[in-house]
Amino acid sequence: AQKVTQAQTEISVVEKEDVTLDCVYETRDTTYYLFWYKQPPSGELVFLIRRNSFDEQNEISGRYSWNFQKSTSSFNFTITASQVVDSAVYFCALSEGTSGTYKYIFGTGTRLKVLA
Amino acid sequence: GAVVSQHPSWVICKSGTSVKIECRSLDFQATTMFWYRQFPKQSLMLMATSNEGSKATYEQGVEKDKFLINHASLTLSTLTVTSAHPEDSSFYICSARQTYTTRARTDTQYFGPGTRLTVL
Repeated sequence: AQKVTQAQTEISVVEKEDVTLDCVYETRDTTYYLFWYKQPPSGELVFLIRRNSFDEQNEISGRYSWNFQKSTSSFNFTITASQVVDSAVYFCALSEGTSGTYKYIFGTGTRLKVLA
Repeated sequence: GAVVSQHPSWVICKSGTSVKIECRSLDFQATTMFWYRQFPKQSLMLMATSNEGSKATYEQGVEKDKFLINHASLTLSTLTVTSAHPEDSSFYICSARQTYTTRARTDTQYFGPGTRLTVL
């Protein structure tokens, strides 16, 4: 069965600290896609990254970096030198490549609070 | 690019009335759109998948007669909450999956800003 687990419900850090948000997934498909979205207090989900199952390269985008490890079925997200504007709920999602439905399976989200 | 709009952003209505929410992909075509519902401090719950030119596919437990979905064009899907009741009050979010003319598959969904529905 497909499943996405974000075990961290809420994390609080002080500004400039680094923080890692965990995401563990389960799927039987060999082709799948993983995503991270940010949902600020305004409510709109902002697309951050997509990774397909054949690309295990880690990615860095400014202060954001992602670590994809198929061996542990994890797709973790790190924010370096966090800022107050990073405060939001972050969702990890899985889309299976062979289902044909393009549906997402969302994790329960991690609420990040960055304190000034 | 990949902007999705929703209208209205919030709506308050009386119990028993119907409310229509529009979801538009502004700068791309979307064969497939999705409708989600989100309760406070919870994750998104998929309600239905909307396919242009065909009937929507509803998730288990979602009443198709209550939540009417129409995907009349490649840039517009609408969700109508019929005979709304206070328990329908929620944050409704749509997303659109970009359609490509090549064979390259993409699963990225772009989300609208959401519509907050309050039923009195």
